[in-house]
Amino acid sequence: QSALTQPRSVSGSPGQSVTISCTGTISDVGGYNYVSWYQQHPGKAPKLMIYDVSKWPSGVPDRFSGSKSGNTASLTISGLQAEDEADYYCCSYAGSYTLVFGGGTTLTVL
Amino acid sequence: EVQLVESGGGLVQPGGSLRLSCSASGFTFRSYALHWVRQAPGKGLEYLSAISANGGSTYYADSVKGRFTISRDDSKNTLYLQMSSLRAEDSAVYYCVKDALYYYGSGSYLDYWGQGTLVTVSS
Repeated sequence: QSALTQPRSVSGSPGQSVTISCTGTISDVGGYNYVSWYQQHPGKAPKLMIYDVSKWPSGVPDRFSGSKSGNTASLTISGLQAEDEADYYCCSYAGSYTLVFGGGTTLTVL
Repeated sequence: EVQLVESGGGLVQPGGSLRLSCSASGFTFRSYALHWVRQAPGKGLEYLSAISANGGSTYYADSVKGRFTISRDDSKNTLYLQMSSLRAEDSAVYYCVKDALYYYGSGSYLDYWGQGTLVTVSS
């Protein structure tokens, strides 16, 4: 199972919005509404930010939003804050009980 | 508060074995599927293995199939990963992860992660 494709890095200024894409195939992202997003600060464990494409776990601010079109899922962070600077990983169900992650995107808040 | 605490990592020689443990608290352990995910130094996340809440079903990624065994002891609220025939490319931080569901697979999402334990395979 190949990893999902994410941009290596994105950046934005405080208060702006950024979008991170996650491209797969019909066998994963395009075939299921089971995309999740994880935030990872350096040296820390990943944290769930979005599940089932666009749902928020409790405690995650609604500045984070998810969507999907075809084989590409997206995470949009609005009103960027300094603490949003982190690595972000998408993850999709890929059939046959497996999950597949994206390669990760480093978000820099300028 | 959900807590997952991994242990058992360390330095092991190629071809060696290691057993990782994950002690869980703050939730009804027997009601949720559990997973192992690893991250090589400076790299991304790699999905490895899963076990259903009742322990009756397991999944392994091709990269570890036949070498790693996942298990759980509900009486001890502990998840395990027995690793054998270790290779240099198995060097990584290994995360214990809770699923939001009883079964892994379709609909799974990983709602709580441990802090990880580092495994280094080197001679």
